[in-house]
Parts: sequence; structure tokens; C-alpha cells
Amino acid sequence: QKEVEQDPGPLSVPEGAIVSLNCTYSNSAFQYFMWYRQYSRKGPELLMYTYSSGNKEDGRFTAQVDKSSKYISLFIRDSQPSDSATYLCASSYNDMRFGAGTRLTVKP
Amino acid sequence: DAGVTQSPTHLIKTRGQHVTLRCSPISGHKSVSWYQQVLGQGPQFIFQYYEKEERGRGNFPDRFSARQFPNYSSELNVNALLLGDSALYLCASSSRTGRTDTQYFGPGTRLTVL
Repeated sequence: QKEVEQDPGPLSVPEGAIVSLNCTYSNSAFQYFMWYRQYSRKGPELLMYTYSSGNKEDGRFTAQVDKSSKYISLFIRDSQPSDSATYLCASSYNDMRFGAGTRLTVKP
Repeated sequence: DAGVTQSPTHLIKTRGQHVTLRCSPISGHKSVSWYQQVLGQGPQFIFQYYEKEERGRGNFPDRFSARQFPNYSSELNVNALLLGDSALYLCASSSRTGRTDTQYFGPGTRLTVL
């Protein structure tokens, strides 16, 4: 079992939709949780970084962490075609462990 | 400010050869980490260096080695290349030593082993 599980998708939504991306993790020692966005043939770009359970909002993006259920979510409001990318969740204690990534397409 | 830079962008090698990948961190960042990303998967941690010392190593064979220079740039070396080493190699820099610190990734070097 991988330490961070993520549905690879692909996920396709119309422009303006609310997108929900989810991950689960198995290691209770994980303390930090990140979401990265990766465009094709590019390096991952940090979107959100959270430490505790709860919600963190940044513009159209909201990261949610539920440590009791080991569940991580990223919500994208008013999705745009430019949001089309692969979204990677990551958790860390000493090492950073990534999910496989969910490929998102936002159609105009 | 320039972000993390990596060279070369693309590389094609044959089995058994050796490869050296290079990384320059964001100015002021003293920590560099290396990751391997196979197509369709998330990045896997290979090494972290801080102030020229190895601070962490992932589950990779001894064919993989790295070092960090006084200017905080870094090299990743892979010997005796295998077909399975074909991947995007990512370098990430952070300002401190902890691998939990915010890491900023470079564009990667795409290695193809034939």
C-alpha cells in the first residue's frame, strides 16, 4: 500500500465548475500537507501548504485536512481552462511522499 | 528572482552509460533535494543535501549519488544506467534543512535510456 493514495483520474469539468481533488494517507506521523500543480513537461508548482487539520483558503483554492480520517482535499472554485494540469498531493514527516497525481481538464 | 534551474533539459543515454544532472537552487536557499518522477507517477525522493552534507536518502540503489557544492548547486550522478531509470529528474530547493520545509521545484531533466 502506498503511503499517499490519489485517484489518478482523469477528471474533466466544464469551465466555472467546482473541482474537488482528494487524497488519503496511511502514516499517522505525517504532519505537513501540500498540493502541487504540474503542467505537462514542467516541474511541480506549490499551491497550498498546511500543517494542521482544518481549511486553508487562497483565492479560488481551498485546502482541507482531516487528520482523524487521514484525508486531504483541494477545492478549486470557478475553475478555468488554465487550471488544466496534474494536481499532486504530498504529505511529509521526514520525507515528502507524493500521490500519483490527478489529471484535470477544464473545458471552455 | 530566478527560480530553480536544471540542466540539461533533455538527455538521451544508452544502457550502461553514466549521467550527470545539474541543479542551481533559488538564491539564498541552502538545501537541495532530488526526486525521480516516472511517467504517470508522483515524484519519489532520492536525496537531500544541506550545506554540502547529505541529510537524507530515499530507497534508491548505490548507482545513484549526489553532491552539493559551496555555492549550494548540486549534481546528481547515475551510473550503469538501466531502462527503468528513464524518468523526469526534479530538483527542489528550500531555505532550511528540513524536508518538510516548503520546497520549490525546477523544470526537471527528462532522461531517456535506450
